[in-house]
Amino acid sequence: QQPVQSPQAVILREGEDAVINCSSSKALYSVHWYRQKHGEAPVFLMILLKGGEQKGHEKISASFNEKKQQSSLYLTASQLSYSGTYFCGTEMMKSGNTGKLIFGQGTTLQVKP
Amino acid sequence: DTGVSQDPRHKITKRGQNVTFRCDPISEHNRLYWYRQTLGQGPEFLTYFQNEAQLEKSRLLSDRFSAERPKGSFSTLEIQRTEQGDSAMYLCASSTTVTGGKGSGNTIYFGEGSWLTVV
Repeated sequence: QQPVQSPQAVILREGEDAVINCSSSKALYSVHWYRQKHGEAPVFLMILLKGGEQKGHEKISASFNEKKQQSSLYLTASQLSYSGTYFCGTEMMKSGNTGKLIFGQGTTLQVKP
Repeated sequence: DTGVSQDPRHKITKRGQNVTFRCDPISEHNRLYWYRQTLGQGPEFLTYFQNEAQLEKSRLLSDRFSAERPKGSFSTLEIQRTEQGDSAMYLCASSTTVTGGKGSGNTIYFGEGSWLTVV
């Protein structure tokens, strides 16, 4: 049931773009994206609800393809502050609107000057 | 708007001792969650409350673990007879409802976490 994230790690230069993917084998109700820095708690980035919508937050956006049970996180013109581990948290359709999330294994992003 | 608050932030305990963690959610958030995270892994769901009612418990939550949320405000997570395998960061989170697309969902905000080391 754990979603699969890809890639596992990515190294960027400042200003470059990145895409992080999250794929589930189960029908999804929602997808949540978080960024976590070492030793800190996960920080909420965005939630995508069923409906295939795309949401954005400044230079970070995401999409959710409910037919394929896939979500992608888009980071454009990356900044040093984007470094960290990105997790997708998926809410199964059978869990409904509970907030019970199953997290992927994480994607480590490093942005270099 | 204050965030989710957890206490203590760090706890070192000897195997076999009991520990208790406290969580104060964002005010007016009626849902509260406990997750556990070990190094290199994503958070794992333990349990959640809606107001004072505990609605679901993960199979990860053995009989040594108990969570309460009296009066639907703060919550406590107690671990009895701690084992070395309990060493982890215990994350509390609370949520508010958002609507969009074809339904509604819960935007979940995590606290800073309580690190537990069992020696």
